[in-house]
Amino acid sequence: GQNIDQPTEMTATEGAIVQINCTYQTSGFNGLFWYQQHAGEAPTFLSYNVLDGLEEKGRFSSFLSRSKGYSYLLLKELQMKDSASYLCAVWAKAAGNKLTFGGGTRVLVKP
Amino acid sequence: DVKVTQSSRYLVKRTGEKVFLECVQDMDHENMFWYRQDPGLGLRLIYFSYDVKMKEKGDIPEGYSVSREKKERFSLILESASTNQTSMYLCASSLYGGSDDEQYFGPGTRLTVT
Repeated sequence: GQNIDQPTEMTATEGAIVQINCTYQTSGFNGLFWYQQHAGEAPTFLSYNVLDGLEEKGRFSSFLSRSKGYSYLLLKELQMKDSASYLCAVWAKAAGNKLTFGGGTRVLVKP
Repeated sequence: DVKVTQSSRYLVKRTGEKVFLECVQDMDHENMFWYRQDPGLGLRLIYFSYDVKMKEKGDIPEGYSVSREKKERFSLILESASTNQTSMYLCASSLYGGSDDEQYFGPGTRLTVT
């Protein structure tokens, strides 16, 4: 089976940086997604990584290490609107070539 | 912009009732998915479909069935609702189902079974 772990909750201050870690154990890994979900709303796509390294998109960056089964999502210059849940999802052959989601990390940004 | 809509935001049903959840996407996507989302468990895949009239079981199909008669519409059916099916149900679609293919989600239906 798939095992995807991420912290349940994190708190940070407006303007600061927060790093959300995601570790996974799977075989046939073929990509990792990060989604953002505001309370009561649909998840929306943030990033996709399949090769090792850092992908930067404005204030958000996502990193992947395939050998370590590890990814992180970095949120810089935090804004109040970044308060949301962040979902890590892994695509793997072992899961029948579909996405498996972690439990999500709820980020609370305080003034 | 891709739009995925779900028939209801909130639904309350009684144990034993048959429940239909409808999902429609407007971007001619091949693949559609039904997930349920529970605190601490994340999104879990119930069923998915990669073509009209085709369906595949996900991780937790027991107690559910699906129907895809038209490309744009994917229905989730609870034949006899039970209290442990109280959850948030999310529908999603994707263009072709590849490993790099982003999924677009609907706003969700919060189902309560009493």
